[in-house]
Amino acid sequence: GQNIDQPTEMTATEGAIVQINCTYQTSGFNGLFWYQQHAGEAPTFLSYNVLDGLEEKGRFSSFLSRSKGYSYLLLKELQMKDSASYLCAVSPSNDYKLSFGAGTTVTVRA
Amino acid sequence: DSGVTQTPKHLITATGQRVTLRCSPRSGDLSVYWYQQSLDQGLQFLIHYYNGEERAKGNILERFSAQQFPDLHSELNLSSLELGDSALYFCASSARTGGSINEKLFFGSGTQLSVL
Repeated sequence: GQNIDQPTEMTATEGAIVQINCTYQTSGFNGLFWYQQHAGEAPTFLSYNVLDGLEEKGRFSSFLSRSKGYSYLLLKELQMKDSASYLCAVSPSNDYKLSFGAGTTVTVRA
Repeated sequence: DSGVTQTPKHLITATGQRVTLRCSPRSGDLSVYWYQQSLDQGLQFLIHYYNGEERAKGNILERFSAQQFPDLHSELNLSSLELGDSALYFCASSARTGGSINEKLFFGSGTQLSVL
């Protein structure tokens, strides 16, 4: 089976930087996704990493280390609208059963 | 708007009943996925259909079934409902042309099921 761990909650101040870590143990690996989910809404795609390294997309960046089974999502210049749950998801094999972590709830305070 | 349509948005029913959740994927998407999200758990993968055929199954109960129709819309049927089935049920779609498996999912707004 798949084991995906991420912190439950994080709090940060508007304008600050927050790093959400995700560790995983899966049977095979075919990529890691980050999704954002506001309360009561659908998850929306943020990033995808399949090779080691950092992918930058505006204020959001995602990093992957396959050898360590580790990823992080970096949110810069935090805004109030960034308050949401951030879901780490791993594609474990060639069979598309995308497995999600429980999510990290980020609260941005003024 | 993701382009994925789910109906109904809310459903309240009693234990032992049967309900059907409906999903229309984005125009042109061949794959439909169903996920269950409850308060104490993350998104749990239920089942995946590609162009009408079942492709992958997760921890889906035997009381639950799904299908994808020729027009690519999908239905998730939940029967003999129990209190614990109360959750948010999401449908997602992707292009999944068959060559690339790591395509991002587009989620519908979900159906909130309450079993009383």
